[in-house]
Amino acid sequence: NAGVTQTPKFRVLKTGQSMTLLCAQDMNHEYMYWYRQDPGMGLRLIHYSVGEGTTAKGEVPDGYNVSRLKKQNFLLGLESAAPSQTSVYFCASSVAGRYEQFFGPGTRLTVL
Amino acid sequence: EDKVVQSPLSLVVHEGDTVTLNCSYEVTNFRSLLWYKQEKKAPTFLFMLTSSGIEKKSGRLSSILDKKELSSILNITATQTGDSAIYLCAVAGGAGSYQLTFGKGTKLSVIP
Repeated sequence: NAGVTQTPKFRVLKTGQSMTLLCAQDMNHEYMYWYRQDPGMGLRLIHYSVGEGTTAKGEVPDGYNVSRLKKQNFLLGLESAAPSQTSVYFCASSVAGRYEQFFGPGTRLTVL
Repeated sequence: EDKVVQSPLSLVVHEGDTVTLNCSYEVTNFRSLLWYKQEKKAPTFLFMLTSSGIEKKSGRLSSILDKKELSSILNITATQTGDSAIYLCAVAGGAGSYQLTFGKGTKLSVIP
């Protein structure tokens, strides 16, 4: 039982490049979330999903897109990376109807 | 706008000391308050509090919620170097009932 896993662990991009971060969970959780964590800013919600095929915007969605084609996977895409997207990205999941979220180990992204 | 404020932002104590971390919130439609511990990577879940005045305990850690004062405290007794971490407070409520709004965290450093 791996819990929540994220791929890749680290990535360096140049401005304007695109990339996709993958989150996978094996706990059969219905809800999944993407956060970014910046120094002094705490965790901020980017997008979330309450089920396969459904996504919604969080607090800071601009510049990101997401997809949830399978229940166990939640993808976060950056179409044209900007230096302001340099951050640590965390994925989380939860059981429907419960507030506790379980987090993956994070992806450290640097955009030059 | 939903808000979660933690204090202090950082704290340095000696092993064996007792510490109290604070969390206050302004959230519409409050449902629950959660505490997480973040060491090097993923935040890990500690406690969830929903009812006022009921203390949750786990070993040397305990937490209590005061819904009248819109706040919570996290106590750690007989601190150890392994308690060094960022402690995050999050509140469920607001526009999306299962979304969490996080505070910026309290960085605790325990020195021998």
